[in-house]
Amino acid sequence: TAGITQAPTSQILAAGRSMTLRCTQDMRHNAMYWYRQDLGLGLRLIHYSNTAGTTGKGEVPDGYSVSRANTDDFPLTLASAVPSQTSVYFCASSRTGSGTDTQYFGPGTRLTVL
Amino acid sequence: GQNIDQPTEMTATEGAIVQINCTYQTSGFNGLFWYQQHAGEAPTFLSYNVLDGLEEKGRFSSFLSRSKGYSYLLLKELQMKDSASYLCAVLDSNYQLIWGAGTKLIIKP
Repeated sequence: TAGITQAPTSQILAAGRSMTLRCTQDMRHNAMYWYRQDLGLGLRLIHYSNTAGTTGKGEVPDGYSVSRANTDDFPLTLASAVPSQTSVYFCASSRTGSGTDTQYFGPGTRLTVL
Repeated sequence: GQNIDQPTEMTATEGAIVQINCTYQTSGFNGLFWYQQHAGEAPTFLSYNVLDGLEEKGRFSSFLSRSKGYSYLLLKELQMKDSASYLCAVLDSNYQLIWGAGTKLIIKP
């Protein structure tokens, strides 16, 4: 099985442009997450979804939006990118949203906003 | 505030043993995770501790002391492939994961 996939692998984006980062899992996990990882900082949660049809805000949600129309997909949208959104973005999933389940991570998307 | 502290970088020799420490101050505690992350790759799960004590899993062991707000990851018989960052994460009272910045482990031959 593929597990969890993300697209694109990397992207350079002009400031002010919009972009959607895609994430798909085939493990039938209920919970999905979006993190950003910046040098010297821990993973920071942007948004999460404990089940299809529901989403919640994480630690750093401003400038980002998500949707969860079905179990498998959890896209992250930047409506108007800014240079501070330059980061590596990881999507993850877990069997439930209890917090105690292992999270499985996608390979990441490296985004540069100029 | 919530805080996870890990050393930024450690160096060890192939075949040796290394201990990576993690101390935490969080609002509540519902478990502690260790993940491994090779450069340019995704984090992968290593261990989860919720009770005090040592849990061994092959060459890797993880220890927890809830009263001291302290955990360590012990890696034995180090191999070059163990060169990676090791991330400590604590599940707080709201069942939210708080992540440390990670410890970069460099293995030398």
